[in-house]
Amino acid sequence: AQKVTQAQTEISVVEKEDVTLDCVYETRDTTYYLFWYKQPPSGELVFLIRRNSFDEQNEISGRYSWNFQKSTSSFNFTITASQVVDSAVYFCALKGDFGNEKLTFGTGTRLTIIP
Amino acid sequence: EPEVTQTPSHQVTQMGQEVILRCVPISNHLYFYWYRQILGQKVEFLVSFYNNEISEKSEIFDDQFSVERPDGSNFTLKIRSTKLEDSAMYFCARRVQGVYGYTFGSGTRLTVV
Repeated sequence: AQKVTQAQTEISVVEKEDVTLDCVYETRDTTYYLFWYKQPPSGELVFLIRRNSFDEQNEISGRYSWNFQKSTSSFNFTITASQVVDSAVYFCALKGDFGNEKLTFGTGTRLTIIP
Repeated sequence: EPEVTQTPSHQVTQMGQEVILRCVPISNHLYFYWYRQILGQKVEFLVSFYNNEISEKSEIFDDQFSVERPDGSNFTLKIRSTKLEDSAMYFCARRVQGVYGYTFGSGTRLTVV
């Protein structure tokens, strides 16, 4: 069975602060894929990143960075110098190996950036 | 890559009525999915569809739900007799074979009254 846990339900930070969103996952598959999606107030799901289980290299994209730690089954997401436009609900998701087509989502973290 | 377009963006229906949610356009050699998100909750998998067949479905996807490609292009989700608890945002998603990246449509907000 697959499971994604986002323990932080809501986070509020003042603009320009850094913030880290936690994601812990469970899977029996040796090959799997991890994702982060952003859901702004308008409701759509915006793809941010995909990570393969065999690639533990951390990634940085502008103000966004992701820390994948297989040893702790975590895939955390950090926003540096936060901006008001970062306010959204962020979902971490997991897909198992070939033949397991579904994405399992976490419960999401609502991030509010205070101007 | 083609984006995923969903229609309508918002639908209000009376309990017991049938609704059809549409996902357009569609191309061959893609996997398609329906997910739903009850307000304020997480996104839940409903069904995956490939080669005109359901490849996987969740326990939520009971006999009240069905999916099809009626004209070879649109991908539809039908709810036969809606219940109040079917009120949710329904997302269509797709991925290209061999690529594990999912693109979601903008969603259809279904309100059952």
